[in-house]
Amino acid sequence: EAGVAQSPRYKIIEKRQSVAFWCNPISGHATLYWYQQILGQGPKLLIQFQNNGVVDDSQLPKDRFSAERLKGVDSTLKIQPAKLEDSAVYLCASSLDPAATNEKLFFGSGTQLSVL
Amino acid sequence: GDSVTQMEGPVTLSEEAFLTINCTYTATGYPSLFWYVQYPGEGLQLLLKATKADDKGSNKGFEATYRKETTSFHLEKGSVQVSDSAVYFCALRQNNDMRFGAGTRLTVKP
Repeated sequence: EAGVAQSPRYKIIEKRQSVAFWCNPISGHATLYWYQQILGQGPKLLIQFQNNGVVDDSQLPKDRFSAERLKGVDSTLKIQPAKLEDSAVYLCASSLDPAATNEKLFFGSGTQLSVL
Repeated sequence: GDSVTQMEGPVTLSEEAFLTINCTYTATGYPSLFWYVQYPGEGLQLLLKATKADDKGSNKGFEATYRKETTSFHLEKGSVQVSDSAVYFCALRQNNDMRFGAGTRLTVKP
């Protein structure tokens, strides 16, 4: 089966510019997650969708970050304007059944963002 | 809130050495516990999991036992290979919330 697809693979921008990342989860997976992984740290949840609704966005810096999942399938994460501290790998993950707490997440390869 | 603490790296071992990566957790309820692995240039993938106390997860020669009394989920492998070089993440999941440790980089030298 096809995995979680993310693009672009790498992005370099200057501070105050805007950037967008795209994710296509595994077909049929109801839940989609965006994580931020800063170098040397574990992934930190930014936002979680169930179908096209937001389940948890408590750690999303809403003054500059936004995300949407139209039609409950693919998703975009946007940063506007970017700051130096946004340099990180942005990971998208999906899972089939949001009610199954022992279910694993499937991760994409991530987008590595460098803000100069 | 819930959290995971794992031993700091990097860890460098020779091939066929014994591996232990410590992981402890803090949680109010009864989370499921996971080890994820990230090979160079790839996304995170599940290595093993355990869903209740005393469960042992195992995969590819790796093992970890869910110890409720010590709130631990240490990862072990009896004989590591060069191909095991990767970053290992301990994680817990409760309800819909998945929390990760900071990761431990393992390098295995021939």
